[in-house]
Amino acid sequence: DSGVTQTPKHLITATGQRVTLRCSPRSGDLSVYWYQQSLDQGLQFLIQYYNGEERAKGNILERFSAQQFPDLHSELNLSSLELGDSALYFCASSVNLEGPNTGELFFGEGSRLTVL
Amino acid sequence: SQQGEEDPQALSIQEGENATMNCSYKTSINNLQWYRQNSGRGLVHLILIRSNEREKHSGRLRVTLDTSKKSSSLLITASRAADTASYFCATGGEGSSNTGKLIFGQGTTLQVKP
Repeated sequence: DSGVTQTPKHLITATGQRVTLRCSPRSGDLSVYWYQQSLDQGLQFLIQYYNGEERAKGNILERFSAQQFPDLHSELNLSSLELGDSALYFCASSVNLEGPNTGELFFGEGSRLTVL
Repeated sequence: SQQGEEDPQALSIQEGENATMNCSYKTSINNLQWYRQNSGRGLVHLILIRSNEREKHSGRLRVTLDTSKKSSSLLITASRAADTASYFCATGGEGSSNTGKLIFGQGTTLQVKP
């Protein structure tokens, strides 16, 4: 058990809909990262938050947004869903030290999104 | 976008044999990490090697890093059926790009036959 909790585990929805994925990081971790894993694109970095603020942005679509709340949990919002958005969405957390001490990420078990 | 390539994409070996996976990357890095993913599960950190290190060991794992060639290899010795999984290398950025995020390769799928 990594200590990172993601809900829901599975989600089936229709094209055009909006969903929210939730992530609770490990206790004490300030950074939250969202990744998308699909068969054709592999594991893609979407966005990172650190202590409530956006820290880094990857290949995140404009239809997607995220935020990190004061209690450090994070939500990833996916809207106007398309078939191609079907994927595993992972949240990871880390203490995120600055400088040369970038450390390991702790991953949740993922939320599997199926868009029909 | 992916940082680099992993080779081979798939590897099938017998229990007891060694498995070697390679990873190449494109930009300067602060560190390189290897992760394991069982089918449909979350990724689990295996080992981290910093840019000023050349080799690191952890149990049956041996990782090498060649920053001049921008490549790394992961060796799993005396493999077991339980080692069957996908293995990913991931790189952490250097300097101003060092936010903590990791960029992952495409992964190597390892099958260890009993």
